Amino acid sequence: DTGVSQDPRHKITKRGQNVTFRCDPISEHNRLYWYRQTLGQGPEFLTYFQNEAQLEKSRLLSDRFSAERPKGSFSTLEIQRTEQGDSAMYLCASSPPARVKAFFGQGTRLTVV
Amino acid sequence: QQPVQSPQAVILREGEDAVINCSSSKALYSVHWYRQKHGEAPIFLMILLKGGEQKGHDKISASFNEKKQQSSLYLTASQLSYSGTYFCGTESTGNQFYFGTGTSLTVIP
Repeated sequence: DTGVSQDPRHKITKRGQNVTFRCDPISEHNRLYWYRQTLGQGPEFLTYFQNEAQLEKSRLLSDRFSAERPKGSFSTLEIQRTEQGDSAMYLCASSPPARVKAFFGQGTRLTVV
Repeated sequence: QQPVQSPQAVILREGEDAVINCSSSKALYSVHWYRQKHGEAPIFLMILLKGGEQKGHDKISASFNEKKQQSSLYLTASQLSYSGTYFCGTESTGNQFYFGTGTSLTVIP
């Protein structure tokens, strides 16, 4: 059990570029969540997967955002045509089937310049 | 849908007590509490499940009143290491999980 792993840890991109982040959950955790957190704010829910199915998607997630979890293991979050307002920490969390705690990755800090 | 926490910020002297409240507009299945230090990921503290319960370990405990859709986190005899931002996380039907607005806690010597 190596914990939730996110890659990259930091990403600086120019406005208008596309970026993709990866999250590797703890093995056997069927639930996977993506959150966005800006300085001083709580994590904002973006989307949720149960196995490979994307069950919930926040209205915060505009059409420029897409997430996948093709084999029910790792997940990717893609942001197209990045904007400065997308600058934030993107957190991934996973949890096992029972309703217990979520384990968080260290996050990917995105800076759009 | 985001739970509201109060107070927004609190400063304590070492050894003092604090209470952080979390209130939701939705019926809750569970409440989680996390602490986050600057630049780090949230760290799980405890979970309280539907049925109304209290839990605690060491000098940190919490209660969950499902009828009022509220939870409170109690920190007693605070230590310097308690400093950070505390978030409640609430789970309602549909497996949605939302974090609260956060409470910044600073413990000073």
